[in-house]
Amino acid sequence: DAKTTQPPSMDCAEGRAANLPCNHSTISGNEYVYWYRQIHSQGPQYIIHGLKNNETNEMASLIITEDRKSSTLILPHATLRDTAVYYCIVRVGAGNMLTFGGGTRLMVKP
Amino acid sequence: ETGVTQSPTHLIKTRGQQVTLRCSSQSGHNTVSWYQQALGQGPQFIFQYYREEENGRGNFPPRFSGLQFPNYSSELNVNALELDDSALYLCASSFSRTSGGADEQFFGPGTRLTVL
Repeated sequence: DAKTTQPPSMDCAEGRAANLPCNHSTISGNEYVYWYRQIHSQGPQYIIHGLKNNETNEMASLIITEDRKSSTLILPHATLRDTAVYYCIVRVGAGNMLTFGGGTRLMVKP
Repeated sequence: ETGVTQSPTHLIKTRGQQVTLRCSSQSGHNTVSWYQQALGQGPQFIFQYYREEENGRGNFPPRFSGLQFPNYSSELNVNALELDDSALYLCASSFSRTSGGADEQFFGPGTRLTVL
């Protein structure tokens, strides 16, 4: 699986959009971009995934650049409960193994 | 629909002992994966079971072993515990199709193992 690079930490004001970047410059054509988050003392939680098109669900939006070398996870209206470590993972969709990096620690502040 | 559950929540062992951790998969899921998460780091893949067979393994020694049962629940066994085995152990279940492809993984809350 391709390696990902994320900033170690970010702050966001409550109610504002949180934009979390991820660099995956060595991504292959058949690799998906997945996002998980881990709230303190809990197991990771699936957020969203995509291949090349932008995706949106009830939790977040995923914007993937045209060359697929980077992506951005957008939480449109961050709340205090969104404070967590966010992991960007690229993997072949048919596999189950997730390779976690260090992630981005997002702190949502009042 | 019940989620993924793990037991026990916390466990303290001493070096050299053996430990068994348990995971109950989410209803309808046939695949379970185990991860080890050291403090301050992301989870690391240990192995995966699909229909009671191991079908993927990370960079962990043979003293880490597992089982998946017909009801798709699972166990992680660690022999000859070392201090570095202290970590949060996470179980994740998902549904894998025989034709290939899998849905997203659902994680349990984890078991915190401390080795003294």
